[in-house]
Amino acid sequence: DQQVKQNSPSLSVQEGRISILNCDYTNSMFDYFLWYKKYPAEGPTFLISISSIKDKNEDGRFTVFLNKSAKHLSLHIVPSQPGDSAVYFCAASKNYGQNFVFGPGTRLSVLP
Amino acid sequence: DTAVSQTPKYLVTQMGNDKSIKCEQNLGHDTMYWYKQDSKKFLKIMFSYNNKELIINETVPNRFSPKSPDKAHLNLHINSLELGDSAVYFCASRTTHWEGTGELFFGEGSRLTVL
Repeated sequence: DQQVKQNSPSLSVQEGRISILNCDYTNSMFDYFLWYKKYPAEGPTFLISISSIKDKNEDGRFTVFLNKSAKHLSLHIVPSQPGDSAVYFCAASKNYGQNFVFGPGTRLSVLP
Repeated sequence: DTAVSQTPKYLVTQMGNDKSIKCEQNLGHDTMYWYKQDSKKFLKIMFSYNNKELIINETVPNRFSPKSPDKAHLNLHINSLELGDSAVYFCASRTTHWEGTGELFFGEGSRLTVL
């Protein structure tokens, strides 16, 4: 049973436009969320986090939005750059320090 | 200097063999993990070690055994390898204390192919 879902296996966006990656979760106990980026043949690298006390967190071109009632979060990348082309994983945990459950990932392609 | 390093990066072996993958972190983290990324690309937790104590074992076959000589190292030993063990194995570490964002730091992965 997938507790963290990323229903779009892939996404293509033009350079300079906005990329929106979505993540849904089923466990209402999840209250801490992370986004990771992964290039081929490398390990995932941390991008941005959000806890359930917030509904938005920004870091440069990356913004994560959390809608707790819908059990949905999204990662916005503005403007998208070709170097952003990678697989993006959403991860959730029940609270800080607990283990993370990962989604299956979305492959983002940013076209020049 | 690599924060989380694991070796080997690639491993090709025959069914029935025993193999080990090593992992070291130089971040001073208190918890280390092994994740398996299967053919469907899901990252699934296998083990975690906190201060040299195993605190999770997520229904992994007992052919897999983590060994931690100290809190900077968590090695993965696999006995009697099977075809289904072919995957990419990621080591990760984090601090579980209330500092930073508590994110996992991953190694580059070890791709195991069982023939």
